[in-house]
Amino acid sequence: DSGVTQTPKHLITATGQRVTLRCSPRSGDLSVYWYQQSLDQGLQFLIQYYNGEERAKGNILERFSAQQFPDLHSELNLSSLELGDSALYFCASSVDGDGNEQFFGPGTRLTVL
Amino acid sequence: ELKVEQNPLFLSMQEGKNYTIYCNYSTTSDRLYWYRQDPGKSLESLFVLLSNGAVKQEGRLMASLDTKARLSTLHITAAVHDLSATYFCAVDRYASGTYKYIFGTGTRLKVLA
Repeated sequence: DSGVTQTPKHLITATGQRVTLRCSPRSGDLSVYWYQQSLDQGLQFLIQYYNGEERAKGNILERFSAQQFPDLHSELNLSSLELGDSALYFCASSVDGDGNEQFFGPGTRLTVL
Repeated sequence: ELKVEQNPLFLSMQEGKNYTIYCNYSTTSDRLYWYRQDPGKSLESLFVLLSNGAVKQEGRLMASLDTKARLSTLHITAAVHDLSATYFCAVDRYASGTYKYIFGTGTRLKVLA
């Protein structure tokens, strides 16, 4: 158990809908990262937050957005969903944002029908 | 453009044997990461390599980095069945106000008893 929690574990929704994925980092970790893993695209880094501020942005689509709240949990919002958004979404946390070891949550499996 | 290539993509080896997974990247990077993923599971961070000549070891796994050759290796010593998993490398880079974090395609390792 990494200490990082993600909810929900599974999510099934329809095209055009909007969903929110939630991540709680390990106690004491200030940085949260979001990743997407799909058969088509492999593993992709989406976005990183550090202590409530966006730190780095990767291949995150404009239809997606994220934020980190004062209690350091983070949410990834996916809107206008398409079939191709079906994937595993992982979050990870680290003590700081400077390339230290990341601890990964169990992931949320999103299926868009 | 930052690209990461891993080889081999698939590796089947006998217990007790040694083998090496290679990770090549196309441009200068800041850090190199190695991860492990068990089937149906999340990612586990193995190593973060920061500088040329860096070597890190954990159990039967040893990772090294040659920034001049833009090459990292993950060496497996005396493989055991429990090492069966998919191994990913990734590199990141800040340049001209842009951040890139790119994963390799992964190496699926199967250790046969």
